[in-house]
Amino acid sequence: DADVTQTPRNRITKTGKRIMLECSQTKGHDRMYWYRQDPGLGLRLIYYSFDVKDINKGEISDGYSVSRQAQAKFSLSLESAIPNQTALYFCATSEGVVGANVLTFGAGSRLTVL
Amino acid sequence: DQQVKQNSPSLSVQEGRISILNCDYTNSMFDYFLWYKKYPAEGPTFLISISSIKDKNEDGRFTVFLNKSAKHLSLHIVPSQPGDSAVYFCAASETGTYKYIFGTGTRLKVLA
Repeated sequence: DADVTQTPRNRITKTGKRIMLECSQTKGHDRMYWYRQDPGLGLRLIYYSFDVKDINKGEISDGYSVSRQAQAKFSLSLESAIPNQTALYFCATSEGVVGANVLTFGAGSRLTVL
Repeated sequence: DQQVKQNSPSLSVQEGRISILNCDYTNSMFDYFLWYKKYPAEGPTFLISISSIKDKNEDGRFTVFLNKSAKHLSLHIVPSQPGDSAVYFCAASETGTYKYIFGTGTRLKVLA
């Protein structure tokens, strides 16, 4: 089984619908992240969380919200999806070791908003 | 404002030759840098990292060079292999923030 699991892997929805992307991890890491990938724009940070009670906005948090339900679970919600939120979304975790910190990514969730 | 930039969207290299991927950053507080490789339909995977206390780090065919004064890092792949064909992202972080900013990526194609 993958260390970082994202569901769903693919989703097509309509403008205005609420969408939740889920992420779970078995690595025991405290830090979890949500990124989106767009052609020509690379990976941009949406939200990140360092523990269950800690949530931080990233570079592009408008239109998104997150929930850290447990150490192992971090979900991303689009309250009212719009077409420019069509993208590939990645969840990632990290251990938080100073000087040797590495992100481990899930396989991605492709979201299409019509 | 893009704090981490990869100015070459794509690069083609012959098998066996050197691939050089470049990355520039603007935030002088960044002191930890990573390179990731991404294949289609997969998540990015970690390749190599470098801390600002070093100017070079090697791992097999992969070497990362850091020029702090120029705010520039590069990834060298020698020799390049067809399996190296992927999108490469550089990422930067300020120690203690655990917040990683990624570049826009460079698509490398290694020609057999």
